[in-house]
Amino acid sequence: EVQLVESGGGLVKPGGSLRLSCAASGFGFSGTWMSWVRQAPGKGLEWIGRIKSKTAGGTTDYAAPVKGRFTISRDDSKDTLYLQMNSLTTEDTAVYYCTAESSYYSGGASYIYFAYWGPGTLVTVSS
Amino acid sequence: DIQMTQSPSSLSASVGDRVTITCRASQSISSYLNWYQQKPGKAPKVLIYAASSLQSGVPSRFSGSGSGTDFTLTINSLQPEDFATYYCQQSYNTPLTFGGGAKVEIK
Repeated sequence: EVQLVESGGGLVKPGGSLRLSCAASGFGFSGTWMSWVRQAPGKGLEWIGRIKSKTAGGTTDYAAPVKGRFTISRDDSKDTLYLQMNSLTTEDTAVYYCTAESSYYSGGASYIYFAYWGPGTLVTVSS
Repeated sequence: DIQMTQSPSSLSASVGDRVTITCRASQSISSYLNWYQQKPGKAPKVLIYAASSLQSGVPSRFSGSGSGTDFTLTINSLQPEDFATYYCQQSYNTPLTFGGGAKVEIK
């Protein structure tokens, strides 16, 4: 059974830092592209960034609101995904979801979707 | 960035109704469109990927269609467990973007 479990959320002051972890099990973590998606209270879903598998280069990509402040990394030996968040503002208050991406190949194209999600961890930025 | 616009943002329907939610992309995204269902306090789950492919385990009353800029999620014979918020999401390029959501409520 696929499981993703986030941890590390909590209350942090504006300007502070926090590191989230996501423990993965039940699938080939090292070969899977992983993303973080967040949801502010009462709002919609927002993709914040992705890390590709090492075989795909292990590169990262970020949404503009977090670029330069957030860093996604992975430890394939521990099947764990990380999100380092620095210079936090109240706008970063949200539930943060870890997601595992899957690909569907058809007609020479690769269609990617968020196949698995963790239950989320709440990050509250407040003084 | 590709903007995803869903309509309606909310609707009221009865059990047994047919429900249609639309999603429009600000530029052509071919079939790089996914649909998710989210219930209160829970993580989203994928229903449809690549515009029209049904995720394993998802009831066949859910279907997706469209290509280019206009897409539709249809729920045939709405069931009590289908009352939720539905999001479309494009995977054509990064940043990956979601629509604003469509909340399906009980009439």
